[in-house]
Amino acid sequence: DAKTTQPPSMDCAEGRAANLPCNHSTISGNEYVYWYRQIHSQGPQYIIHGLKNNETNEMASLIITEDRKSSTLILPHATLRDTAVYYCIVRVGGSNFGNEKLTFGTGTRLTIIP
Amino acid sequence: KAGVTQTPRYLIKTRGQQVTLSCSPISGHRSVSWYQQTPGQGLQFLFEYFSETQRNKGNFPGRFSGRQFSNSRSEMNVSTLELGDSALYLCASSFGLAGAPPYEQYFGPGTRLTVT
Repeated sequence: DAKTTQPPSMDCAEGRAANLPCNHSTISGNEYVYWYRQIHSQGPQYIIHGLKNNETNEMASLIITEDRKSSTLILPHATLRDTAVYYCIVRVGGSNFGNEKLTFGTGTRLTIIP
Repeated sequence: KAGVTQTPRYLIKTRGQQVTLSCSPISGHRSVSWYQQTPGQGLQFLFEYFSETQRNKGNFPGRFSGRQFSNSRSEMNVSTLELGDSALYLCASSFGLAGAPPYEQYFGPGTRLTVT
């Protein structure tokens, strides 16, 4: 799987949009971009994923650049409960078994400031 | 739907003992993966099971083993425990259909293992 690069930490004011960048310059054509977050001492929580197009769900939006070498996770109205470590992961699709391992990096520690 | 459940949530063992951890996936999910999380190494993949067969394995010694039952429930076993095995062990389940785009994995709360 392609490696990802994320800033180690970020702060965001409560109520503002949090924009978390991820660089995946070696991504392959069949690799998806996934975002997870982990709140202290809990299991990681799936947020969103995408291949080429921008995606939006009830939690967040994912913006993928046209060359697919980077992406941004957007939390539109950050709350204190969004304080967590956010992981950007790229994964191969269409494998023999449909699911390959998730390779977690060090992630971005996002702190929402009241 | 009920989420992924893991038992026990906390465990204290002594060096040299063995331990078995259990994971019940979300109903209908057939793939179960195990991860180890430590402060020093972060989240590391242990292995994945699909339809009772190990499909993928991480770089862990043979002391770490697992299995999956016909109802998709999975167990992970660690023999001859070492101090360095102290960690949060996470289980994740996904639908896991062969040949399809990768499905999102849903994680359980983890089992916190302390080896003394």
